[in-house]
Amino acid sequence: SYVLTQPPSVSVAPGQTAWITCGGDNIGDKAVHWYQQRPGQAPLLVMYYDRDRPSGIPERFSGSNSGNTAALTISRVEAGDEADYFCQVWDSSSDHYVFGPGTKVTVL
Amino acid sequence: EVQLVQSGAEVKKPGDSLKISCTGSGYSFSTFWIAWVRQKPGKGLEWIGIVYPGDSDVRYSPSFQGQVSISVDKSISSAHLQWSGLRASDTAMYYCARLCSGDGCQRAYDIWGQGTVVSVS
Repeated sequence: SYVLTQPPSVSVAPGQTAWITCGGDNIGDKAVHWYQQRPGQAPLLVMYYDRDRPSGIPERFSGSNSGNTAALTISRVEAGDEADYFCQVWDSSSDHYVFGPGTKVTVL
Repeated sequence: EVQLVQSGAEVKKPGDSLKISCTGSGYSFSTFWIAWVRQKPGKGLEWIGIVYPGDSDVRYSPSFQGQVSISVDKSISSAHLQWSGLRASDTAMYYCARLCSGDGCQRAYDIWGQGTVVSVS
């Protein structure tokens, strides 16, 4: 089965940039989606198909995907961005959906 | 407003059976796949399986095949997740999520339910 890897945690000062990676074998050939989960809340889609933002998601959020690494970048980080972030792909070989283990973003 | 509303928290004993629900509104329920996702306390998201309300087609993660049952009743716009014999290890938050449609979306989950807490002890 397809496996995704993420760093357990990322710490960033307010106003700086947070970079969250999602690793997988040739992940650049897949569509990667990102979810934000604030404490006590359901996940929220913040990026789909590598770099598209759903309506209502700030332009500070951007995405990329190439080779074996996808990334979610949060510019001008705010306190409200503190949350867990999960990447997700669809594995066509198994027709199953896979989530990464998640990255906790802490705003210092 | 497009939304998924899940049934309330459950407290059960090992061996009990349970069926939780997820009701969609504000969109054509029959034409979007609905997935179930487990999240154990302090842990990540685990994909359980997915159902297409239009024809009740169901797919399961190998990790959950045989452990749970996913069903749908499109007449009431509801999807269900069911256990026939709960275990303490089933204690978790369970989310339903809608799979967005169209090539531009590429199989992302765009709408999530609020979650149902299941406690087994």
